[in-house]
Amino acid sequence: EVQLVESGGGLVQPGESLRLSCAASGFTFSSYSMNWVRQAPGKGLEWVAYVGVSSTTINYADSVKGRFTISRDNAKNSLSLQMNSLRAEDTAFYYCARDHQHAFDIWGQGTMVTVSS
Amino acid sequence: QSALTQPRSVSGSLGQSVTISCTGASSDVNFYNRVSWYQQSPRTAPKLLIYEVTNRPSGVPDRFSGSKSGNTASLTISGLQADDEADYYCCSYVATYTWVFGGGTSLTVL
Repeated sequence: EVQLVESGGGLVQPGESLRLSCAASGFTFSSYSMNWVRQAPGKGLEWVAYVGVSSTTINYADSVKGRFTISRDNAKNSLSLQMNSLRAEDTAFYYCARDHQHAFDIWGQGTMVTVSS
Repeated sequence: QSALTQPRSVSGSLGQSVTISCTGASSDVNFYNRVSWYQQSPRTAPKLLIYEVTNRPSGVPDRFSGSKSGNTASLTISGLQADDEADYYCCSYVATYTWVFGGGTSLTVL
């Protein structure tokens, strides 16, 4: 079964850091670009970050550029998102999503990040 | 990049059809044929319904169809069923490795 499973969410204070992980299974992870997409409570979806198959191509939404770092380990079939200098507005469910023809065809169940003092 | 514009809500009766619009700019929806649509039921992850404007992934019923005219993409759901009641999001590739979503549309099946 093709599956993505996120982990690492939690409650942190503003300015702190958190690292999210996404474990992939059931497909050849190294053949697919990957993304992080987030959704604030009761709000819509927001694309956050992209990484190509060999990590040579990476891009971020303006809202997280300079604070978040996306990375992947093809040997371990895993995707990560290092989030620094967290703000209240970063509070959201974070989903990892597989890229298919510049759409997101497989999603994880999400992990909740809450930034609050 | 600005978010794409969707109606906040639409409704339709069982068995009828509804169309959800998604308006962008000449630099995104009109320029790229990379519009996708997602269905999200409460407390679940989004599900891909349409990619590249008109293509359906395997397993998505042909009741769901996509189209585009100029800066506006559309999702049409025909033969409405009760479990179509959900939130629907459009998304467009807008620049090199950059995507923007619409604000989402809540579909009510009457």
